[in-house]
Amino acid sequence: DAGVIQSPRHEVTEMGQEVTLRCKPISGHNSLFWYRQTMMRGLELLIYFNNNVPIDDSGMPEDRFSAKMPNASFSTLKIQPSEPRDSAVYFCASSLADRSSHEQYFGPGTRLTVT
Amino acid sequence: AQSVTQPDIHITVSEGASLELRCNYSYGATPYLFWYVQSPGQGLQLLLKYFSGDTLVQGIKGFEAEFKRSQSSFNLRKPSVHWSDAAEYFCAVGAGGNKLVFGAGTILRVKS
Repeated sequence: DAGVIQSPRHEVTEMGQEVTLRCKPISGHNSLFWYRQTMMRGLELLIYFNNNVPIDDSGMPEDRFSAKMPNASFSTLKIQPSEPRDSAVYFCASSLADRSSHEQYFGPGTRLTVT
Repeated sequence: AQSVTQPDIHITVSEGASLELRCNYSYGATPYLFWYVQSPGQGLQLLLKYFSGDTLVQGIKGFEAEFKRSQSSFNLRKPSVHWSDAAEYFCAVGAGGNKLVFGAGTILRVKS
């Protein structure tokens, strides 16, 4: 079975450019999570969706960040305009939300460098 | 609010030695608890989980963890560490709405 798929794996861009990160969750999963990982702040939850609906976006750092989930098999995280402090590894994770399980399955991450 | 504390930022053990990584959580009800491992350049992989029942849970790669409600702890153990176990380990507690709250992580170094 394919796990969570993220693209691109690496992205280098200049400050001010738009960046779009993509995620395909595990088939059949109905919850999707976007995280950011940095040395200084560790692993931070940015936003999560249940059944394609954003449930909690309190972790989104500012209006430059936006996330969408147009269908059950695809999500994007967009940063516009990007800044050097956005440099981090961004992870997508998915899970099957039911009463007995909170376990999340992570993708390999996208390493973003903003120069 | 739920929180997870991993007191040790770094731990170094010799290959073949036993390992215990500490995790303390704060949660009002019976928690869902997890340990994840992250190798360099990789995503997080689930090692084991506790939902209910037997407080000693077995995971992949020879790891186990014990839930102790009285101590609000969920420590990860392995009887004999291999060099390939060098990685960062994260403890997490299930929060409301399917969210997980992660600890800051413990970096494990293995000496040969």
